[in-house]
Parts: sequence; C-alpha cells; structure tokens
Amino acid sequence: VELVESGGGLVQPGRSLRLSCAASGFTFDDYAMHWVRQAPGKGLEWVSGISWNSRQTGYAVSVKGRFTISRDNAKKSLFLQMNSLTVDDMALYYCVQGGPRYFDRFGPWGQGTLVTVAS
Amino acid sequence: QSALTQPASVSGSPGQSITISCAGSSSDIGDYNYVSWYQQHPDKAPKLIIFEVTYRPSGISSRFSGSKSGNTASLTISGLQADDEADYYCISYTSRGTWLFGGGTKVTVL
Repeated sequence: VELVESGGGLVQPGRSLRLSCAASGFTFDDYAMHWVRQAPGKGLEWVSGISWNSRQTGYAVSVKGRFTISRDNAKKSLFLQMNSLTVDDMALYYCVQGGPRYFDRFGPWGQGTLVTVAS
Repeated sequence: QSALTQPASVSGSPGQSITISCAGSSSDIGDYNYVSWYQQHPDKAPKLIIFEVTYRPSGISSRFSGSKSGNTASLTISGLQADDEADYYCISYTSRGTWLFGGGTKVTVL
C-alpha cells in the first residue's frame, strides 16, 4: 500500500488549497479514506472521512462548512478542498486508508503534506 | 466535539507495566467498540497497535493490550522497553459519524 499526498504549501489566511492523495497497492474503491492532520508539536486530529462509494462523508467540527472531501475511484485518488483557511489549519495533513466500512479501523498512512498558513 | 481525554504523560522503568487511559462519552467510546490506539515516534507516521478495543494487528507485540470499561478505554504496555518511548493516541468512532482522537500521551521509559 502506498499513499502519496501532494498539494500542500504556503497560503495566505482566507485563501484556498486543494490536497490530493494518490493511492496504489490496493483496490482503492473497496476502502473508505480519511484525512488526519497534525499541527507542529501538537496531537493528531481527524479532519474528514469518506466511504468507498462517497455516499457517507464526515467532518470535524473545526472544518465543517469550509472543507470538502471527495474521491475519484477511477483515478485512485482522494482530495480535500480547503477554503477560508486560518492559521489554525496549519499542519501536516495525512492521507489514511480506512476499512471496507466507514467505521472500520484505519489502515496505512501516507507521509503527509505540509500546509502553512501565513501572511 | 472535544478530544478524548488522555493523561499528558506516563512513565515507567524497563520491565514495568504502564496503563494509559482514554476517557470519552456515551456518544463515542461508550457506544462503540471502534476504539484504536496508535504509537508515534518523533517525525514518524503513527502506527496502529490496537483496534476494536482489544485486537492487535499482525506483527504487534503481545506486550500491548487494550480494554474498555464504560466510557473509558485503556492501553496497557507490559514489559516496558526503551523503544516503547513514544507518543500514544486513542481514537474512537462517534455517533455523529465522525472520529475523535485523544490529546495524546507521552510515554517515558526511565
């Protein structure tokens, strides 16, 4: 299993950013997927998750209404559209494999992509 | 939703056993057995060590064990080793269809 995140970088407060995760080594459309973030020196925070067929999605209270998760099973890719970014969103964002069911345990993690929010 | 509550730090001597608690509510830990534990060494991605409260993934030492009572889950590390020094996080599925992590516990091997 390999999960490779991209799309991170430096962005000004209030702007948008779109993260991508390219998956390989497993049958992508059999698994739920998640985004988890970790601010520098801080703990882990689940950000968002999506079921294998995109019918179920979930968001942390801190990002609901600003972030949108999506997936393209044909391209084996996961996305996170992040709008109205604030300094509190600055973190390393991990792409994480879920299980066949939305509530199953998480599987392998990517190495993360860093999002820096600063003016 | 607030994070699950973990002690900030726990320490023990080599060979000893330690237990890390993870306190939630009836909307998460108390209502589901979808509780996992992760170990994270500095600058590394987290590693799954316990899932569904008590199960260990293949390759994880039997020195790690999990349990749950009411709204609180626990991770016990027995026969503490130097390499166990790391940060540990619990996570639970919630009735809102979301996931909650604990704040993390730093384990120090004395």
